[in-house]
Amino acid sequence: EAGVTQFPSHSVIEKGQTVTLRCDPISGHDNLYWYRRVMGKEIKFLLHFVKESKQDESGMPNNRFLAERTGGTYSTLKVQPAELEDSGVYFCASSPLLAGVTDTQYFGPGTRLTVL
Amino acid sequence: AQTVTQSQPEMSVQEAETVTLSCTYDTSESNYYLFWYKQPPSRQMILVIRQEAYKQQNATENRFSVNFQKAAKSFSLKISDSQLGDTAMYFCAFMKDNNAGNMLTFGGGTRLMVKP
Repeated sequence: EAGVTQFPSHSVIEKGQTVTLRCDPISGHDNLYWYRRVMGKEIKFLLHFVKESKQDESGMPNNRFLAERTGGTYSTLKVQPAELEDSGVYFCASSPLLAGVTDTQYFGPGTRLTVL
Repeated sequence: AQTVTQSQPEMSVQEAETVTLSCTYDTSESNYYLFWYKQPPSRQMILVIRQEAYKQQNATENRFSVNFQKAAKSFSLKISDSQLGDTAMYFCAFMKDNNAGNMLTFGGGTRLMVKP
């Protein structure tokens, strides 16, 4: 079974440009999460999809960040326009949606974003 | 809001010895889960062990075990017979229990180096 995959693995862009990160969850996982780790700080939650719906987006830092999950499969996270403080590693995770069960989240390898 | 604290940014241990990583958390929730994740260098984060707060028995996975002290809000990870492959960043994480999906709250991580 394929794990969570993320693309690209690295992205270097200039301030003001746009970047789109992609996450493919494990097949059949309806829960999809985005997290971010800024250099030297904790991994922070950004948002949570259940299928195609945003369940919780309380961690999104501002309106320069837009996440989508059309069709409830893969998800994209767009940063527009990128700022220096957006640099960090963006992780995606997925888990099954099982009634009455809190399941483990499985993580992708992350996308390292550098904004110059 | 929940917080997770890992007080040891870096640790080292000799191969075959035992090491304990500390984690404390703060929450007003009564039902929750605690996790230890491991991220080896240049590789993705994987689950090491999880503990349900309602279970008094400490979780164990082969050489990995936890010391869960609910009253003290402490959740340490013990690695026995350390191996070179245990070299990694270790993250402690908390999740509220809502019988579905929920965000993880992470500590800052402990970088563990296993020396030959």
